Amino acid sequence: EPEVTQTPSHQVTQMGQEVILRCVPISNHLYFYWYRQILGQKVEFLVSFYNNEISEKSEIFDDQFSVERPDGSNFTLKIRSTKLEDSAMYFCASKDRTRIRAGETQYFGPGTRLLVL
Amino acid sequence: AQKITQTQPGMFVQEKEAVTLDCTYDTSDPSYGLFWYKQPSSGEMIFLIYQGSYDQQNATEGRYSLNFQKARKSANLVISASQLGDSAMYFCAMSSSNTGKLIFGQGTTLQVKP
Repeated sequence: EPEVTQTPSHQVTQMGQEVILRCVPISNHLYFYWYRQILGQKVEFLVSFYNNEISEKSEIFDDQFSVERPDGSNFTLKIRSTKLEDSAMYFCASKDRTRIRAGETQYFGPGTRLLVL
Repeated sequence: AQKITQTQPGMFVQEKEAVTLDCTYDTSDPSYGLFWYKQPSSGEMIFLIYQGSYDQQNATEGRYSLNFQKARKSANLVISASQLGDSAMYFCAMSSSNTGKLIFGQGTTLQVKP
């Protein structure tokens, strides 16, 4: 069964360093998302991506964040200069529709646990 | 603004019994979707069940059913015949924007007792 994969599973970095989180969405999916979950809290939307551009972003997704789909399979989230409060689990998700309609299921990757020291 | 509320931070249920996890939502969009995800201690997010706002019947997926009451804006998850492996955090979520982003509730921790 196809699944979303994410690498690395864990990353420890120093404050101020750049990190790149990688995701491989399910191959025929067209919509891609990043979410984050600070320990013990709810899952928060960061950004959605469709047709090679950002379709929506939250207020959390400031200039320190960027996303890219460098090839036909990978979807990356870059944090340029990490802060302590960026420590969280980051989830990639994807869904499959040729047109946007509320309700299609998003399938989540296993997450990358980021710790900023 | 869209909002999901889960008022039960923690629930206990005896193995083999049924349990209902509450979820209420608020949206002004006429079309939306409601989801439940399971997050075990290992951290992954596992999709359980989906209900569309225009679906006439309540969704069911195996031991999971969604008690959808549109007028009350509630979408409670019912797990029948609980198993020890059902112990996890459960999140209710809603999607209604053009981009399909999910808005999550705070989650309910379910513990199944043997």
